[in-house]
Amino acid sequence: SQQGEEDPQALSIQEGENATMNCSYKTSINNLQWYRQNSGRGLVHLILIRSNEREKHSGRLRVTLDTSKKSSSLLITASRAADTASYFCATDASRGAQKLVFGQGTRLTINP
Amino acid sequence: NAGVTQTPKFRVLKTGQSMTLLCAQDMNHEYMYWYRQDPGMGLRLIHYSVGEGTTAKGEVPDGYNVSRLKKQNFLLGLESAAPSQTSVYFCASRIAGGITGELFFGEGSRLTVL
Repeated sequence: SQQGEEDPQALSIQEGENATMNCSYKTSINNLQWYRQNSGRGLVHLILIRSNEREKHSGRLRVTLDTSKKSSSLLITASRAADTASYFCATDASRGAQKLVFGQGTRLTINP
Repeated sequence: NAGVTQTPKFRVLKTGQSMTLLCAQDMNHEYMYWYRQDPGMGLRLIHYSVGEGTTAKGEVPDGYNVSRLKKQNFLLGLESAAPSQTSVYFCASRIAGGITGELFFGEGSRLTVL
């Protein structure tokens, strides 16, 4: 079964607005990552947050992690049409730290 | 650098046929992965490898075999294709280490089984 579940499944906002996506997971993790996938393309890594971190920033991206609630959020500020894509969270829940388990993704549409 | 390259990009098979998907990476990564992506299901791990000559099962390994004879290549085989294996297949790789780091993905291989 999937480790991560994302909410909402789809999100449509106007350009310039902020977009927030949430990810929940089931077991203890070493780290949580967010990936982006443009239509018909491979996934691209956005940001990694370790289990002992609570917040991390990268450009217009802000990721938070709440290990007590087993949840994470990805905030994209000042959205652009080019941000239209699917976004996936992925967790490393294995003791051997060898594999990532992906959520089902959030489909984000930015309307011009 | 090309990164992670998958071949072929598209393939149509008839039920019962066999085929092999090739993944090649030029980043000297130890770990390699095969995922499948289906609508509404996200990515599911099929098999993975933590080094040359090693393979391990993922979440959905049935109907697939893999081999890692060379460090840079990871092959995914379907011995007798079924319609349920219609999917987009992604290969990924990463460096070895004590904590799972960034995965580098290929562009995907779209397989249709009729």
